[in-house]
Amino acid sequence: GENVEQHPSTLSVQEGDSAVIKCTYSDSASNYFPWYKQELGKGPQLIIDIRSNVGEKKDQRIAVTLNKTAKHFSLHITETQPEDSAVYFCAATYGYGGSQGNLIFGKGTKLSVKP
Amino acid sequence: NAGVMQNPRHLVRRRGQEARLRCSPMKGHSHVYWYRQLPEEGLKFMVYLQKENIIDESGMPKERFSAEFPKEGPSILRIQQVVRGDSAAYFCASSPSHGRQPQHFGDGTRLSIL
Repeated sequence: GENVEQHPSTLSVQEGDSAVIKCTYSDSASNYFPWYKQELGKGPQLIIDIRSNVGEKKDQRIAVTLNKTAKHFSLHITETQPEDSAVYFCAATYGYGGSQGNLIFGKGTKLSVKP
Repeated sequence: NAGVMQNPRHLVRRRGQEARLRCSPMKGHSHVYWYRQLPEEGLKFMVYLQKENIIDESGMPKERFSAEFPKEGPSILRIQQVVRGDSAAYFCASSPSHGRQPQHFGDGTRLSIL
């Protein structure tokens, strides 16, 4: 089955700097890769996702890149702000039309943005 | 805001009791997923349900755990004879149709076993 590895487990940056979180997956059939942000006491909130027919996607300060050959994808946050501090999770799954669709999550990255 | 609603938010049970966790999906969503999160860990898939059907329960322990999603009302995750190891946060997510993404999550039920 699918396995998702996420690095680093913790990341501390200064406000205004960029943050990069990387994930690798094992199942080449996976075709959907979301990123979730989880704040303390809350559920995961989808912040961006990418499908396997696309190499990069941007939404304001957030971008995700996908390398299908190497089976890895990354989250990039630019101009970080203190409110970006949270735990970020990557995930992978079969997307549209898949027989399951359940998400396989990485173990998370705790991002701290220092003012 | 018709997001995914879970209740209760916190549940305390003694060993051997039963825990019932409820999830109402987003409006228009007919598919529900349950995940479990241990402290400092990612979420682990448990079960995937459609109205009145269990589609995939490969992540759910065979003993003591069950799930349902009736035609009317919320999805229920039931844990019988709880043990200390069941202490975790349980999250529900919903999607509009079979295998469709993205999934939207509720804020979870934090289960504590005394």
